[in-house]
Amino acid sequence: QQQVKQSPQSLIVQKGGISIINCAYENTAFDYFPWYQQFPGKGPALLIAIRPDVSEKKEGRFTISFNKSAKQFSLHIMDSQPGDSATYFCAANQDAGNNRKLIWGLGTSLAVNP
Amino acid sequence: KAGVTQTPRYLIKTRGQQVTLSCSPISGHRSVSWYQQTPGQGLQFLFEYFSETQRNKGNFPGRFSGRQFSNSRSEMNVSTLELGDSALYLCASSPRAGEINEQFFGPGTRLTVL
Repeated sequence: QQQVKQSPQSLIVQKGGISIINCAYENTAFDYFPWYQQFPGKGPALLIAIRPDVSEKKEGRFTISFNKSAKQFSLHIMDSQPGDSATYFCAANQDAGNNRKLIWGLGTSLAVNP
Repeated sequence: KAGVTQTPRYLIKTRGQQVTLSCSPISGHRSVSWYQQTPGQGLQFLFEYFSETQRNKGNFPGRFSGRQFSNSRSEMNVSTLELGDSALYLCASSPRAGEINEQFFGPGTRLTVL
């Protein structure tokens, strides 16, 4: 059972457009929500993260929107560029005392057409 | 500063064999976590080692084991390989245990079980 559900599975956007990836979670104990970017042949790299005490966080062209009541969070990529073409993963942290571990979505493959 | 390195990058084994994967963390990082990445299941946490001790473990069978050496380098072993073990195995290092927000991933080892 997937505790973090990510959609869409794949996304094609034109250069300059907005890419939007959504995630929904079930466990209200999650307290940290990162997004990772993975290029082919590379491991995931932390892109941006948010905690549930804020509703939005922006870093450059990347914005996380967080809706605590709906248990949803999303990644917006403004002015999408071909270099943004990658797989994006959302995740959530399950903090059980010292046993912190990330629960991951299944990923979204983003292609930005030039 | 050099990133996380994993060896080998690619591996082909047959069912029933065992395999050992290696991970060298970023210099100064003492925590190493291992993940299995597959298209159907996404990234799943295997275990975390800190100061040569396993401090956290995911839901994988006992065929999956690991260890960490005094220099923080880590190895992961899978015994009696099954077809379903074919995956990208990622290692991530962080300065301290449970530092999910300061976790850096290596490029992974692609394991194919025939």
